[in-house]
Amino acid sequence: EVQLVESGGGLVQPGGSLRLSCAASGFTFSTSWMSWVRQAPGKGLEWVASIKQDGGDKYYVDSVRGRFTVSRDNARNSLYLQMNSLRAEDTAVYYCARYGTMDIWGQGTLVTVSS
Amino acid sequence: DIQMTQSPSSLSASVGDRVTITCRASQGIRNDLGWYQQKPGKAPKRLISAASSLQSGVPSRFSGSGSGTEFTLTISSLQPEDSATYYCLQNNSFPRTFGPGTKVDIK
Repeated sequence: EVQLVESGGGLVQPGGSLRLSCAASGFTFSTSWMSWVRQAPGKGLEWVASIKQDGGDKYYVDSVRGRFTVSRDNARNSLYLQMNSLRAEDTAVYYCARYGTMDIWGQGTLVTVSS
Repeated sequence: DIQMTQSPSSLSASVGDRVTITCRASQGIRNDLGWYQQKPGKAPKRLISAASSLQSGVPSRFSGSGSGTEFTLTISSLQPEDSATYYCLQNNSFPRTFGPGTKVDIK
């Protein structure tokens, strides 16, 4: 069974940092583009970042570029999102998803940025 | 960047009704479009890929059509379990962009 499980969310103060993880299983992670998508409370879906199979190509939404870094460890079947200089508007449920076409999603992890 | 719009933003329909949701792209995206269903507190679930390909396990009452800039998601006979918010996503280019969503309620 294809499965994605996010972790690492929590409460952080504005300006702080957090690292999200996504553990993948049930498919060949090393040959799959991967993506992060977020959803602010009561709002719609927003794509955040995608990373190529070998980590060589990365894409970001403008609002996080320079603050967030997507990375992966193919040996550990894991995807990461390092989030720095966090702002209140980054408060959201963060999902990891398979491929740039996002066919399978994890259950999400909540990030709350508040003092 | 490609902008995605959806209409209507919400609708209320009766069980058995035919429901159509429209998604428009600000520029041509071939058939690089997916449709997602999201229920409260749950992760989105992809229903359709490549504009018209039904995902395995998705009921056949769901269908998608379109190419270029205009796309539709149709539910041929609305069921109570179809109450949800529906989003389109263009995966033609980066940045990926979602439509704002259509909330479907059952009368």
